[in-house]
Amino acid sequence: GAGVSQSPRYKVAKRGQDVALRCDPISGHVSLFWYQQALGQGPEFLTYFQNEAQLDKSGLPSDRFFAERPEGSVSTLKIQRTQQEDSAVYLCASSLFGNSNQPQHFGDGTRLSIL
Amino acid sequence: DQQVKQNSPSLSVQEGRISILNCDYTNSMFDYFLWYKKYPAEGPTFLISISSIKDKNEDGRFTVFLNKSAKHLSLHIVPSQPGDSAVYFCAASPDSNYQLIWGAGTKLIIKP
Repeated sequence: GAGVSQSPRYKVAKRGQDVALRCDPISGHVSLFWYQQALGQGPEFLTYFQNEAQLDKSGLPSDRFFAERPEGSVSTLKIQRTQQEDSAVYLCASSLFGNSNQPQHFGDGTRLSIL
Repeated sequence: DQQVKQNSPSLSVQEGRISILNCDYTNSMFDYFLWYKKYPAEGPTFLISISSIKDKNEDGRFTVFLNKSAKHLSLHIVPSQPGDSAVYFCAASPDSNYQLIWGAGTKLIIKP
């Protein structure tokens, strides 16, 4: 498909386990974003990539969160030693460039539940 | 503190009438504003945007109005259609950079 693809759609993990969430952006999109969305809230910025460079990781809640985009295309968000407060929908978005007047195109998200 | 606020968690409108969704912001550095629409179990979809140098932007049935002095923007949908039933998010960007600050969303229900 032509849109942003995220996998898995749903992930259930036990507290303390590590998880990896994948994002396939739209082909040719330079910018990639990860967001965390809690129930009943808007998305909250986690991190931003321009090609393979992680230019901003100011929104990552703790050092348990790690994101990479090694070849400037697919990105992985990894959460180590998961906690219950990590339960949320994780959204990935891509845009042609990074400035705000290029709309961000979102995937359908990964719903993460930590038991 | 919430920099972007959507004070109405939900709104119910009769099909064919006008829907007005509101958004308030506190940061005077915001200069670009966007509306996204979200269906259940899907990601947000871009709807319409406005730069702070304008006070109105129109795209078909959708119009966004910006009142900078009041730090308020609104999305008008006319006429409202059943497919417009969704959650609408307002988002703002400081200095036209990549970061988007989002409101909590308003659930719009269009009644037949």
